[in-house]
Amino acid sequence: GQQVMQIPQYQHVQEGEDFTTYCNSSTTLSNIQWYKQRPGGHPVFLIQLVKSGEVKKQKRLTFQFGEAKKNSSLHITATQTTDVGTYFCAGSTSGTYKYIFGTGTRLKVLA
Amino acid sequence: DGGITQSPKYLFRKEGQNVTLSCEQNLNHDAMYWYRQDPGQGLRLIYYSQIVNDFQKGDIAEGYSVSREKKESFPLTVTSAQKNPTAFYLCASSPGTGGTIYFGEGSWLTVV
Repeated sequence: GQQVMQIPQYQHVQEGEDFTTYCNSSTTLSNIQWYKQRPGGHPVFLIQLVKSGEVKKQKRLTFQFGEAKKNSSLHITATQTTDVGTYFCAGSTSGTYKYIFGTGTRLKVLA
Repeated sequence: DGGITQSPKYLFRKEGQNVTLSCEQNLNHDAMYWYRQDPGQGLRLIYYSQIVNDFQKGDIAEGYSVSREKKESFPLTVTSAQKNPTAFYLCASSPGTGGTIYFGEGSWLTVV
């Protein structure tokens, strides 16, 4: 079945350092979404990418969708303590409502 | 206030018992989902439903059952056949293909 892997599983950074998490799907995706889950909370939607090679930015966050639509990345510039949490990608294949979530990357920011 | 309501937030179950987790949404979304999250782990899809009276198995459906008799409701039953049910259960909904997934607050289930 469809699998979505993320690396790294954990990342500890000093405040102000950059952070990147990578998402890889075993199948071609129609779109990919990114979510953030704070400790003890539920996942919250960040962004959706649809087009091959698409790049979107939200303040310090940059999201990319690969040309083959099988991988994606989230880059945070100059991390802050408010960025702490687990970041998940979620992929869907064409014509289906089924979303498979990645394994997640847990980010810890040291002040 | 619109959103997804899950109940109960905390539930303890004795071994051999079935329990049902409630999920209600007032967002008029067509699709609803149940995910399981183990501590420090990712989200695994249990069941999803695209329309009333229809649902599909996810990756870990064994030991679980669902129903979708109403658009706004998608209850999950954790049966005694589920050997390791202690986990955090998240209900979600979306308007459809390519739509944002909205999550409830989650339900913590512990087997005692």
